[in-house]
Amino acid sequence: NAGVTQTPKFQVLKTGQSMTLQCAQDMNHEYMSWYRQDPGMGLRLIHYSVGAGITDQGEVPNGYNVSRSTTEDFPLRLLSAAPSQTSVYFCASSRTSGRQAYEQYFGPGTRLTVT
Amino acid sequence: AQRVTQPEKLLSVFKGAPVELKCNYSYSGSPELFWYVQYSRQRLQLLLRHISRESIKGFTADLNKGETSFHLKKPFAQEEDSAMYYCALGGHNTDKLIFGTGTRLQVFP
Repeated sequence: NAGVTQTPKFQVLKTGQSMTLQCAQDMNHEYMSWYRQDPGMGLRLIHYSVGAGITDQGEVPNGYNVSRSTTEDFPLRLLSAAPSQTSVYFCASSRTSGRQAYEQYFGPGTRLTVT
Repeated sequence: AQRVTQPEKLLSVFKGAPVELKCNYSYSGSPELFWYVQYSRQRLQLLLRHISRESIKGFTADLNKGETSFHLKKPFAQEEDSAMYYCALGGHNTDKLIFGTGTRLQVFP
């Protein structure tokens, strides 16, 4: 199993550009999520999904869109990049019961710089 | 609302010293607490969770519902314990996992 994979590993964008960060998992996990990691702020939840076709907002959703058309993939779209979105982005997945949180498996991260 | 507080950004100790990384939480329901660790240039990985009540790499953590705490402890720190540690909170009726701001542990030789 590859686990959780993310592409690209690094990306530099100019302000106003759009792009999609890719995330895929091969563990048949229903729950997937996106976090951003910033110094002193820890990990903040951007969006999450409890299954194909179902997404919801986390703590810091503004400026980001997600969709979940398959169980395996959960892409994160930046609509119009801003310098404040410079961060390291982590995707994670876990099984779900709808009643409790399980261990989350993390991808290697995407380091994004917006100039 | 779910909230996790890790009051220390940095904790520095010498090898062999005891370590305690603090974590406090706020949650109206029945909490589920986790500790995740991120070694340099590696992805986050689960260290332990309160349900399992086990010791991993010499670390233990006890859920104290009265004090709403889940502090991570190790009696004798090792240099390889140097990493970023995150406390995370989930709970019944939610799949979401909310993370604290993290504590960087530095263990000096």
